[in-house]
Amino acid sequence: KAGVTQTPRYLIKTRGQQVTLSCSPISGHRSVSWYQQTPGQGLQFLFEYFSETQRNKGNFPGRFSGRQFSNSRSEMNVSTLELGDSALYLCASRITDTQYFGPGTRLTVL
Amino acid sequence: GDSVTQMEGPVTLSEEAFLTINCTYTATGYPSLFWYVQYPGEGLQLLLKATKADDKGSNKGFEATYRKETTSFHLEKGSVQVSDSAVYFCALSPAANDYKLSFGAGTTVTVRA
Repeated sequence: KAGVTQTPRYLIKTRGQQVTLSCSPISGHRSVSWYQQTPGQGLQFLFEYFSETQRNKGNFPGRFSGRQFSNSRSEMNVSTLELGDSALYLCASRITDTQYFGPGTRLTVL
Repeated sequence: GDSVTQMEGPVTLSEEAFLTINCTYTATGYPSLFWYVQYPGEGLQLLLKATKADDKGSNKGFEATYRKETTSFHLEKGSVQVSDSAVYFCALSPAANDYKLSFGAGTTVTVRA
């Protein structure tokens, strides 16, 4: 089975722009979660989607949003980018209680 | 809230040495516990997991036992290889129907030949 895929792998944006990241889960997995990884804050949970509905949300500002499509693919959007949004954004798809992660999208905000 | 504390690194070992990374957790209820590994430039790979007290997870020579009495899930490997050099994360998933992972800070392990 193919693993979790994320596109793009690398992205460079400037402050004030917005960005959309994409995630395709493992076939048959209906849950997708997003995490932010930074050297200072470590790994932090952003949100989880299941069957196109947001089930859980972390403590991030409203500039961070997401959605899930009927084929379980998910997108994450960050509006009005700030320098502090530079991070590795990881997507994970879940079966039962176990999450499997993609390679991540490295976002750099200049 | 739920939290995970793992030993700070970095840890540097020689090949064939014994590795232990300590992990303790705070959670209400009965969480599932995980170890993930991250190689440079990659995402997280699931290394092993345990879902209830006294369960032992194992994979690729790594082991960890879910100890409810000490709220711990220490990772061990008897003989490390250079290829085990990576960052290791301990994580918990709170309970049924709440799958948000809480991670430890990560422990960087370097194995020298």
